[in-house]
Amino acid sequence: EIQLQESGPGLVKPSQSLSLTCSVTGYTITSGYDWSWIRKFPGNKMEWMGYISYSGSTNYNPSLKSRISITRDTSKNQFFLQLNSVTTEDTATYYCARYIRYWGQGVMVTVSS
Amino acid sequence: DVVLTQTPPTLSATIGQSVSISCRSSQSLLHSNGNTYLNWLLQRPGQPPQLLIYLVSRLESGVPNRFSGSGSGTDFTLKISGVEAEDLGVYYCVQSTHAPPTFGGGTKLELK
Repeated sequence: EIQLQESGPGLVKPSQSLSLTCSVTGYTITSGYDWSWIRKFPGNKMEWMGYISYSGSTNYNPSLKSRISITRDTSKNQFFLQLNSVTTEDTATYYCARYIRYWGQGVMVTVSS
Repeated sequence: DVVLTQTPPTLSATIGQSVSISCRSSQSLLHSNGNTYLNWLLQRPGQPPQLLIYLVSRLESGVPNRFSGSGSGTDFTLKISGVEAEDLGVYYCVQSTHAPPTFGGGTKLELK
């Protein structure tokens, strides 16, 4: 059974970078599919941030394109999110997902000084 | 970006009642390959979202058949035929026909 688990700091200061890890078990990320980061803001708004494909190509939401980077470590079966120059508006719960079928539990990240 | 408008934003229901949620798109979700990539998710309190319906009307494995999806083009509907307590939460439509994928604003289903 495929499982995804996010990890990373729950508090980030404004202007700094947010870095999260998604650890995947039960499926090898190089075997197929796109591996996404999605966030849910306070309230109900959800936003697809981007993905890294099984081949290593990336695709980002244009609204974030200048600030986001998604990379991977195939030896650890992990992929990563880096979001630069964060503001309080980046406060959200961050999810990693395989398409929209398999999701991690999510990690809440607060941007605050 | 494609805008998905969900109505109503909040839905109050009794157990056993049938309810519907509408999702309207700012442009057609029919892909050039003939598929319509409109999906429905449910997020229960404290849980990650769960896929209920994909490609408009296909029931995800393990999802009860009281859930059904319909629609085409720009207008889509999720129906729950007989609400149960475990159905409470926030429902989202999400499209991936056009890049970037986008989500509706959510519909909160609560007990009356």
